[in-house]
Amino acid sequence: GAVVSQHPSRVICKSGTSVKIECRSLDFQATTMFWYRQFPKQSLMLMATSNEGSKATYEQGVEKDKFLINHASLTLSTLTVTSAHPEDSSFYICSATGQDSTDTQYFGPGTRLTVL
Amino acid sequence: AQTVTQSQPEMSVQEAETVTLSCTYDTSESDYYLFWYKQPPSRQMILVIRQEAYKQQNATENRFSVNFQKAAKSFSLKISDSQLGDAAMYFCAWPSGGSNYKLTFGKGTLLTVNP
Repeated sequence: GAVVSQHPSRVICKSGTSVKIECRSLDFQATTMFWYRQFPKQSLMLMATSNEGSKATYEQGVEKDKFLINHASLTLSTLTVTSAHPEDSSFYICSATGQDSTDTQYFGPGTRLTVL
Repeated sequence: AQTVTQSQPEMSVQEAETVTLSCTYDTSESDYYLFWYKQPPSRQMILVIRQEAYKQQNATENRFSVNFQKAAKSFSLKISDSQLGDAAMYFCAWPSGGSNYKLTFGKGTLLTVNP
């Protein structure tokens, strides 16, 4: 149990275009989903927290107009990188909690975004 | 500030031996969970073990166990009978943000397992 999928696993796009990444909890209802960014050889950096049906809460320094988060259902959250630029190239990881009462986050496999 | 510290950027262990990864944290919370995650080269974050802070008994999951010292705010991970597949980056983490279950991650320890 507690499986989280993420799609796509890799995406390459041109500068100025938008990219959408999907995060799904496959076998549980996710009360809260999280989006992280990870640079090479570094730890995870939380970008935002989203609850189903509510606006996402962004961490300080994260541009909410650039990184649009939608949490339309208890099993799906999406991250849209708008007007992507090369500096947005990174590894993006989502996680979900709600499978049990232990605050445990279960992670998707990540998406590698490359902006040319 | 509430932080998590992993003081060992890299560790190595011989196959079948035991290794301990350290983690210290700082919190004013009274009831919380602590976590160890591993991130192998695939970059998939995998839950290794979790510890409930108000339980005195250390958590154990097969070859993985925790040494939790609440007063010292220490939460180390012991891996027994190390296997090649244990090679990964290991992150300790704990919930840091009120009711929305945010996690703060340490900087990680890269574990190498030598055959």
